[in-house]
Amino acid sequence: RKEVEQDPGPFNVPEGATVAFNCTYSNSASQSFFWYRQDCRKEPKLLMSVYSSGNEDGRFTAQLNRASQYISLLIRDSKLSDSATYLCVVNRNNNDMRFGAGTRLTVKP
Amino acid sequence: DVKVTQSSRYLVKRTGEKVFLECVQDMDHENMFWYRQDPGLGLRLIYFSYDVKMKEKGDIPEGYSVSREKKERFSLILESASTNQTSMYLCASSFPLQGSPETQYFGPGTRLLVL
Repeated sequence: RKEVEQDPGPFNVPEGATVAFNCTYSNSASQSFFWYRQDCRKEPKLLMSVYSSGNEDGRFTAQLNRASQYISLLIRDSKLSDSATYLCVVNRNNNDMRFGAGTRLTVKP
Repeated sequence: DVKVTQSSRYLVKRTGEKVFLECVQDMDHENMFWYRQDPGLGLRLIYFSYDVKMKEKGDIPEGYSVSREKKERFSLILESASTNQTSMYLCASSFPLQGSPETQYFGPGTRLLVL
């Protein structure tokens, strides 16, 4: 079983839709959590960190449930430019980052 | 803006060749990493380094070695390339911040094909 599991998708949604991605992790000692975004043939870039209290950045909301070892990302009012692969990343301890395989999102006009 | 550069975007090598992948970062970051990314498997850590001349094995170090002679440069070496090392190789760097989750900054990647 992979340490970080994501639904690979693809998720195909119309512009303006709300879409949610889920991620589970198996190491209960994991310390910090992130969502990265990776465009086709490009490098991953940090989208947002995920905090226990949940956090929001514009149309993006990230939630963490430590008891269930579950992380989510919600995108509201999807734009065409949101089309990308979203990587769930878990930091076990200093610099020991584990990446999910990614969830692919396509937003269609 | 952090800049992480990798020596090649695309590389084609033959089985048995020695391959050098170079990575340079310009932000004086202490930590540097080499990953490979394969479809359905995500990024997997090959090696990382906390400081000059220091290296630590990641999850899949077999068939690879690394070199960090200068802080800004982290090299990945495939001693004898094999076809199962065909992959996208991503370099990253980060700066340890007390009490803050770290951000890893990635280079553009090197797509390596071993024939």
